[in-house]
Amino acid sequence: EVQLLESGGGLVQPGRSLRLSCAASGFLFYNYAMTWVRQAPGKGLEWVSTVTGNGGLTYSADSVKGRFTISRDNSKNTLFLHMNNLRAEDTAVYYCAKARSWYDFDYWGQGTLVTVSS
Amino acid sequence: QTVVTQEPSFSVSPGGTVTITCGLSSGSVSTTHYPSWYQQTPGQAPRTLIYSTNTRSSGVSDRFSGSILGNKAALTITGAQADDESDYYCVLYMESDNWVFGGGTKLTVL
Repeated sequence: EVQLLESGGGLVQPGRSLRLSCAASGFLFYNYAMTWVRQAPGKGLEWVSTVTGNGGLTYSADSVKGRFTISRDNSKNTLFLHMNNLRAEDTAVYYCAKARSWYDFDYWGQGTLVTVSS
Repeated sequence: QTVVTQEPSFSVSPGGTVTITCGLSSGSVSTTHYPSWYQQTPGQAPRTLIYSTNTRSSGVSDRFSGSILGNKAALTITGAQADDESDYYCVLYMESDNWVFGGGTKLTVL
């Protein structure tokens, strides 16, 4: 059974950093691209970042480019999102999602809430 | 900047049929955008319904189907049931290796 478990969310002040983790199990982690998607309170889903299976290539939305970095540790079946210089508008539930193919997603975690506020 | 459009809300009667669409602010949606659809109920993670335009994800009822209608992707729900009441999101894959979600459609069954 595929499981994705996010952690690392919490309350953080503007301008500070936070690292999210997503522990994966139930599939060959290194074989699949992984993605972070976020959802601000009461808003829709927003693609954030995607990393290839071997971690060699990453892609990010313009809204987070230069501030967020996606990475993975295939030896630990874990996906990360390093978030720097956080802003109030980064407040959201952050979901990790497993790629079904390069183009779409099949399994989602339950999400972790990040609140950026002074 | 690419904007993916969806109807903000729809209402359907129990047993009825509804089609939710997913368009582009500029241009047409095609199979090369690999449109996929996700269902989300409040407080829950999204659930994958349809990928690659029209392929149902494992375990998804055949009451859900995907297609291209004109210049948009479409999600059709037939025989609507009370537990279909959810938010529905499409996402399109863009050539520059990024993904854009639609704003979501809130479906009410009443």
